[in-house]
Amino acid sequence: GAVVSQHPSWVICKSGTSVKIECRSLDFQATTMFWYRQFPKQSLMLMATSNEGSKATYEQGVEKDKFLINHASLTLSTLTVTSAHPEDSSFYICSAERTGNEAFFGQGTRLTVV
Amino acid sequence: AQSVTQLGSHVSVSEGALVLLRCNYSSSVPPYLFWYVQYPNQGLQLLLKYTSAATLVKGINGFEAEFKKSETSFHLTKPSAHMSDAAEYFCAVWSGNAGNMLTFGGGTRLMVKP
Repeated sequence: GAVVSQHPSWVICKSGTSVKIECRSLDFQATTMFWYRQFPKQSLMLMATSNEGSKATYEQGVEKDKFLINHASLTLSTLTVTSAHPEDSSFYICSAERTGNEAFFGQGTRLTVV
Repeated sequence: AQSVTQLGSHVSVSEGALVLLRCNYSSSVPPYLFWYVQYPNQGLQLLLKYTSAATLVKGINGFEAEFKKSETSFHLTKPSAHMSDAAEYFCAVWSGNAGNMLTFGGGTRLMVKP
């Protein structure tokens, strides 16, 4: 099966700093990647859809200036949480779509802002 | 438009008992349907998927699900629960078009009592 690697798995940062999360499709090219946020005991909420070489499409209510998404290649998308605050603490999960198939998920990143 | 409803945010069964997790969907086109399992602080793992072939789909760990178009349902079952099945389960629907997102249900937490 297809493999999607997300890094780091855990990150703790100070309030006001920025954190970058990487999502890589290891054995296939992903034209589309998705970023989700999951609050404790809740389902996944789509934050944005990322297409290689173009600007990401953000869901309503998601601050594009705070959650910067870059999809520079067919195998890598990054999510940067800028000027992080404690309320940004959450579990972030990416998925990569292989054309004609289902989406494959990364293992998630637990972000804690202190 | 597509949506997913999982009936019951928490389900508790005894070890060895039948597991039944309910999922109903709505979709304007014939859907692809998925069940994912999430263990604490981990990403999502695909259990099984329906892609318009056989209506009874067998997945990993002894799980199976049946697609019933007339009921717009895709319930997940396992004949005999194991302690290791305790986790969060998500049903998801996808239109099958590249670049379109998965839509997730709210999730069901399965608890297995000894």
